[in-house]
Amino acid sequence: EIVLTQSPATLSLSPGERATLSCRASQSVSSYLAWYQQKPGQAPRLLIYDASNRATGIPARFSGSGSGTDFTLTISSLEPEDFAVYYCQQRSNWPLAVTFGQGTRLEIK
Amino acid sequence: QVQLVQSGAEVKKPGSSVKVSCKASGGTFSSYAISWVRQAPGQGLEWMGGIIPIFGTANYAQKFQGRVTITADESTSTAYMELSSLRSEDTAVYYCARELRDIVVVPHPDWFDPWGQGTLVTVSS
Repeated sequence: EIVLTQSPATLSLSPGERATLSCRASQSVSSYLAWYQQKPGQAPRLLIYDASNRATGIPARFSGSGSGTDFTLTISSLEPEDFAVYYCQQRSNWPLAVTFGQGTRLEIK
Repeated sequence: QVQLVQSGAEVKKPGSSVKVSCKASGGTFSSYAISWVRQAPGQGLEWMGGIIPIFGTANYAQKFQGRVTITADESTSTAYMELSSLRSEDTAVYYCARELRDIVVVPHPDWFDPWGQGTLVTVSS
């Protein structure tokens, strides 16, 4: 099973700062990686898919990069509504599997 | 814009079963896979399995094989997840999620968008 490790576990930043979140896969997932945002009491929301494509309605300050085993989610300038938990996810068709990272909590400093 | 509406919260006894529904409206149902993801209190996300309604075939995460059954009713655009032999560790919010792209475009599994609102299942004696 492919394991996704996210770092850091918690990131403390101020509005306006740049956030860089990391996701590392235990083996190559090519570009089959997505990022989700989850706020308390809400379902996750898809931000980035196929490593670098923004989902519909996602602001341009969110960007994704990477391939193989190392991926990054960057928020260029934090808005108050961006403080949440972020998960990465990989998918594979053979064997069929879906796994999530353990999450990074982005909190206000 | 497709929306997924799930059934309400459940309280179950250990050893019993629970069945959660997920009704889709406002979009195509049959050719988009539906997956189920759960989240224990304060924990991360865990994929349980998914189904392609037009084929009626379900795939399950190994951890849940034999204990979970995912079905879909095309006539009502509703997917179901039934989990049996419940134990306290199954206390969680259960989400359904439609996959982002039609299975003709991208085979299952794909990314998850949109999600249902979640259903809290509490297992307690």
